[in-house]
Amino acid sequence: NAGVTQTPKFRILKIGQSMTLQCTQDMNHNYMYWYRQDPGMGLKLIYYSVGAGITDKGEVPNGYNVSRSTTEDFPLRLELAAPSQTSVYFCATLAAGELFFGEGSRLTVL
Amino acid sequence: DQQVKQNSPSLSVQEGRISILNCDYTNSMFDYFLWYKKYPAEGPTFLISISSIKDKNEDGRFTVFLNKSAKHLSLHIVPSQPGDSAVYFCAANTDKLIFGTGTRLQVFP
Repeated sequence: NAGVTQTPKFRILKIGQSMTLQCTQDMNHNYMYWYRQDPGMGLKLIYYSVGAGITDKGEVPNGYNVSRSTTEDFPLRLELAAPSQTSVYFCATLAAGELFFGEGSRLTVL
Repeated sequence: DQQVKQNSPSLSVQEGRISILNCDYTNSMFDYFLWYKKYPAEGPTFLISISSIKDKNEDGRFTVFLNKSAKHLSLHIVPSQPGDSAVYFCAANTDKLIFGTGTRLQVFP
């Protein structure tokens, strides 16, 4: 049972490039979340989804897009990477009030 | 506007002593709180939770206290162990989890 799987674990992007962070879960959870963690800032919610076909903005959605075509997958897309998006990104699922996190994806934009 | 606050960015405690991590929140409608622990290069993992109908919840060495009138909760770790060294996040559950900024705990021998 893999839980929440994120890829890639590390990526360096140039300003203006685009990329997709992948998140897959095998627990059949409806709720999925994308957080970013910046030093001293805790975890900020980017987007979340309460089920396939439904997504909603979190606290810091600007510069990102998501889709949820299946229960298992919740990819996060950066269209025009900016240095402010340098961060560690965590995908998570929710069940019984508890979040289950992936291992994180460290993104650097230069 | 930070709705969940952890005002101490770091805490250093000797092994065997008590570690107390604090968390304050602003919204009186929050009714469920969780603590997460995070090691470097790993995702956060769930530690312990408390519902607003309780003022204390224990799980082994970990106890969470909730003071609703003060909008304050705390996590006590007794006795502290070097393996407890990590960043601890408190979070409030509404329709989504809102996290505090974290406290880095270091337990030294």
